[in-house]
Amino acid sequence: GAVVSQHPSRVICKSGTSVKIECRSLDFQATTMFWYRQFPKKSLMLMATSNEGSKATYEQGVEKDKFLINHASLTLSTLTVTSAHPEDSSFYICSASFGETQYFGPGTRLLVL
Amino acid sequence: AQSVTQLGSHVSVSEGALVLLRCNYSSSVPPYLFWYVQYPNQGLQLLLKYTSAATLVKGINGFEAEFKKSETSFHLTKPSAHMSDAAEYFCAVKPQGGSEKLVFGKGTKLTVNP
Repeated sequence: GAVVSQHPSRVICKSGTSVKIECRSLDFQATTMFWYRQFPKKSLMLMATSNEGSKATYEQGVEKDKFLINHASLTLSTLTVTSAHPEDSSFYICSASFGETQYFGPGTRLLVL
Repeated sequence: AQSVTQLGSHVSVSEGALVLLRCNYSSSVPPYLFWYVQYPNQGLQLLLKYTSAATLVKGINGFEAEFKKSETSFHLTKPSAHMSDAAEYFCAVKPQGGSEKLVFGKGTKLTVNP
């Protein structure tokens, strides 16, 4: 139980385009989802906390107009990287809360050319 | 603010040897504690968690961890390492009754030598 999926697993896009990443809790409802970014050989950096039906709460230094988060239902949150640039290339991971525990998706590798 | 320290960014053991990955937290009130494992190019998988029940917690893949309040520690152990245990391990804490955010340690890369 407590499975979280992400789609796509890998995406390559041109600079200036927008990319949408989906995060779904498959077998539970998640009031709260989280979006992380992970740089090579580094720990996870929390980008934002997403609550169903309300605006996301962004961490300091994260541009909310660049990283648009929508949590439209209890099982789906999306992250849209707008006008992506090469420096946005990274590994993006979502998680969903079930009780006191966060369950993580498999991650999305974004490469911006 | 909560913090998590994982001693040793790299740990190397021989196959069949004891695995010990260290985690210390800073908190005046015992938090919830978690160990996650990350294989290359994958997300994080929950190994085990402490949620103020038994202090010795058993997880998946033969791992266990013991919560020691006096030492503010939650070290991860496995009696006999397998090659498949090679991965990055993250310790994380979450305050009880507080923020839902996890605070992660910097991770420990475990290498298992044949």
